[in-house]
Amino acid sequence: GAVVSQHPSRVICKSGTSVKIECRSLDFQATTMFWYRQFPKQSLMLMATSNEGSKATYEQGVEKDKFLINHASLTLSTLTVTSAHPEDSSFYICSATRTGVKDTQYFGPGTRLTVL
Amino acid sequence: EDKVVQSPLSLVVHEGDTVTLNCSYEVTNFRSLLWYKQEKKAPTFLFMLTSSGIEKKSGRLSSILDKKELFSILNITATQTGDSAIYLCAVGSYAGGTSYGKLTFGQGTILTVHP
Repeated sequence: GAVVSQHPSRVICKSGTSVKIECRSLDFQATTMFWYRQFPKQSLMLMATSNEGSKATYEQGVEKDKFLINHASLTLSTLTVTSAHPEDSSFYICSATRTGVKDTQYFGPGTRLTVL
Repeated sequence: EDKVVQSPLSLVVHEGDTVTLNCSYEVTNFRSLLWYKQEKKAPTFLFMLTSSGIEKKSGRLSSILDKKELFSILNITATQTGDSAIYLCAVGSYAGGTSYGKLTFGQGTILTVHP
């Protein structure tokens, strides 16, 4: 159990377009989902925490108008990168915690975003 | 600001060797420490530690937490080439009174095991 999927796994887009990434918990309910960004050979940087039915909490330095997060159900959260630019190119990973179980986060396989 | 520091940043060993990876932290409202293994894609969960001095084991991997000295170690015995990965340490903390916890990750240790 505790499988998290992400879609798409890889996306290439032109500068100025918006890209939506989906994160789903497949076999459990996830009240809380997290969005991370990872640059090559670096660790995971938390971008925002997403709670079902409420507004996401963004980490300092992360623009909430640029990285729109929606957590509409207990199994789905989406991250939309608006007006993407080449500097937004990165590996985006989501994670989810089981409802009622704290801290242990299960990670999705990640989405490689390349903005041309 | 919460801080998690891992050492060494990279390590190259031969199959059969034993390795010890270190993780130290400075976190307010500490709740737990987690170890993850990351190969090509997303991290996979290894251990979660909440109590000092209690070793957790899974096969050739083991880990222990020292909450007084604020560190944890991850041991891998009889290493195999399949152990080559980035090992991430993360500390869970209470986030401003909310029920969920956020994780602060260390930089990771890149382990390379040669045949």
